[in-house]
Amino acid sequence: DVKVTQSSRYLVKRTGEKVFLECVQDMDHENMFWYRQDPGLGLRLIYFSYDVKMKEKGDIPEGYSVSREKKERFSLILESASTNQTSMYLCASSFGTGGYWNQPQHFGDGTRLSIL
Amino acid sequence: GENVEQHPSTLSVQEGDSAVIKCTYSDSASNYFPWYKQELGKRPQLIIDIRSNVGEKKDQRIAVTLNKTAKHFSLHITETQPEDSAVYFCAAPNDYKLSFGAGTTVTVRA
Repeated sequence: DVKVTQSSRYLVKRTGEKVFLECVQDMDHENMFWYRQDPGLGLRLIYFSYDVKMKEKGDIPEGYSVSREKKERFSLILESASTNQTSMYLCASSFGTGGYWNQPQHFGDGTRLSIL
Repeated sequence: GENVEQHPSTLSVQEGDSAVIKCTYSDSASNYFPWYKQELGKRPQLIIDIRSNVGEKKDQRIAVTLNKTAKHFSLHITETQPEDSAVYFCAAPNDYKLSFGAGTTVTVRA
């Protein structure tokens, strides 16, 4: 069974801090994704990666960056946290065959991030 | 996302009745349509998906139908049970990225 593990379930940080959210998958998936989930807005794509060291902007990349140094690990970075980045963050991964938009995605449990 | 519209936003059904959730999409090149279920406090999990070369797919009590001409697809849950209570998300590709609907909160009344 695919396992996508996010480093923290809950995280509290202060405005202006640099925040790192980590995600690891154990299925040798090529594609990895970061979403944020807010009530009434569904899942919105922040960034994704289809290969090591490759990254692509999603729909809401402002204020975020990512890093993928190893195939199994995808990190989301909030360069200078702000209160409007308080949200649930979900990591996902998928196989690369057929396109990263075209394959089932497997999600982690999420990190609920609060910025005070 | 605004590229995928999902209705209704909430749905309350009596146990044993059917539930239907509908999504419309904008990218006519879309060819993959998954549905995810998210129980309270848990991760979204894929429950069924359909590709554009078929019009309907069933898996026990759930089914998905696709109308490519009208650009909409629907999730059907029959004989609903309390464990079907959850938030359901549809998704469709848009500009080579998967866009999700805003979600439907389904409550099954005993």
